[in-house]
Amino acid sequence: RKEVEQDPGPFNVPEGATVAFNCTYSNSASQSFFWYRQDCRKEPKLLMSVYSSGNEDGRFTAQLNRASQYISLLIRDSKLSDSATYLCVVNEGDMRFGAGTRLTVKP
Amino acid sequence: GAVVSQHPSRVICKSGTSVKIECRSLDFQATTMFWYRQFPKQSLMLMATSNEGSKATYEQGVEKDKFLINHASLTLSTLTVTSAHPEDSSFYICSARGPRDRAAGNTIYFGEGSWLTVV
Repeated sequence: RKEVEQDPGPFNVPEGATVAFNCTYSNSASQSFFWYRQDCRKEPKLLMSVYSSGNEDGRFTAQLNRASQYISLLIRDSKLSDSATYLCVVNEGDMRFGAGTRLTVKP
Repeated sequence: GAVVSQHPSRVICKSGTSVKIECRSLDFQATTMFWYRQFPKQSLMLMATSNEGSKATYEQGVEKDKFLINHASLTLSTLTVTSAHPEDSSFYICSARGPRDRAAGNTIYFGEGSWLTVV
């Protein structure tokens, strides 16, 4: 079983839709969690850190469920510019990446 | 925020030659850096973890004699692809563990990536 798993998608949604991604991790001792965004042919950029109480940044909400060992990312009112691959990253001493979830927002 | 710089951004080399890629943390000290490879339309694959002053830890299936990693200072790690072949053509990205944030722990910051084409 992979250490960090994500639904690869692709998720194709219309503008304005709400979309959610989940990411599960296997190491219960994992210390911190992040969502990164990667545009085509570019390096990943930090989107949000995920705090235990959940956190929100504008249209983006991240949540952590330690009991079930998953994190989630919710995007509300999606924009065309949200089209990208979203990577889940888990810090378990080493940083472990999910394979990424591709999102395409269409007009 | 923390900045990681990677150089060169693009390189073309002949088959059989070696190529060195540099990864620098510009405004913080990075005791740990990571090297990844990403083939088109595929996910990032961790190749190795580079620790300052010690040998790198390679992921299973990654040849340590082919992908030489040196982390001689707290701000610089290098990846050398030795005896490169066309199948080594890929996007190579480094990252560094940034300053610890009390709430979020250590965030990682990525270099801009290096496109290697072996002809």
